[in-house]
Amino acid sequence: AQKVTQAQTEISVVEKEDVTLDCVYETRDTTYYLFWYKQPPSGELVFLIRRNSFDEQNEISGRYSWNFQKSTSSFNFTITASQVVDSAVYFCALKHTGNQFYFGTGTSLTVIP
Amino acid sequence: NAGVTQTPKFRVLKTGQSMTLLCAQDMNHEYMYWYRQDPGMGLRLIHYSVGEGTTAKGEVPDGYNVSRLKKQNFLLGLESAAPSQTSVYFCASRSGTRSTDAQYFGPGTRLTVL
Repeated sequence: AQKVTQAQTEISVVEKEDVTLDCVYETRDTTYYLFWYKQPPSGELVFLIRRNSFDEQNEISGRYSWNFQKSTSSFNFTITASQVVDSAVYFCALKHTGNQFYFGTGTSLTVIP
Repeated sequence: NAGVTQTPKFRVLKTGQSMTLLCAQDMNHEYMYWYRQDPGMGLRLIHYSVGEGTTAKGEVPDGYNVSRLKKQNFLLGLESAAPSQTSVYFCASRSGTRSTDAQYFGPGTRLTVL
């Protein structure tokens, strides 16, 4: 069974604090792909990053970084020096070699000015 | 490019009424998807299509039908709307050239069934 767990339902941080959003996945496949999406208050989902199961290198893009650890089946997302514009719901998703994506229930992040 | 568009943006139906949601993409993507988003439940896949003329069931297909007569369009139909179908509906498309291709989403349709 494919499953994605985002245990943090809501997080609030003060602007400029760092915050990590957790994503734990479950799959029996050896080949799979992980994604993060952002859903700002406007409602549209925006693709942020993808990772495949053979690439455990961490990635940094500006204030965003992602930590992929197969040993713990986690693909966590860290925002450094958070800003009010980072306030959104963030979704982690899993895809194996088929056509379906499996989404977590999302983490709602509020950055307080 | 407009990307993925959805029509309408908002709709209110009475129980038992029917309607069709239209999704259009201009990226020449092969794959298209319909999801519903409900509070605390994330996105759940209703139906999807891997190419023109094909459709397949997702996680929650009951009460919905779909059609993909043209590559750029994916229609979601509700034949007899029920209050349980009150939700925000998202359409997505992806190239499908590679397994790593991400989905690109439309702005959503907020549907209320009274």
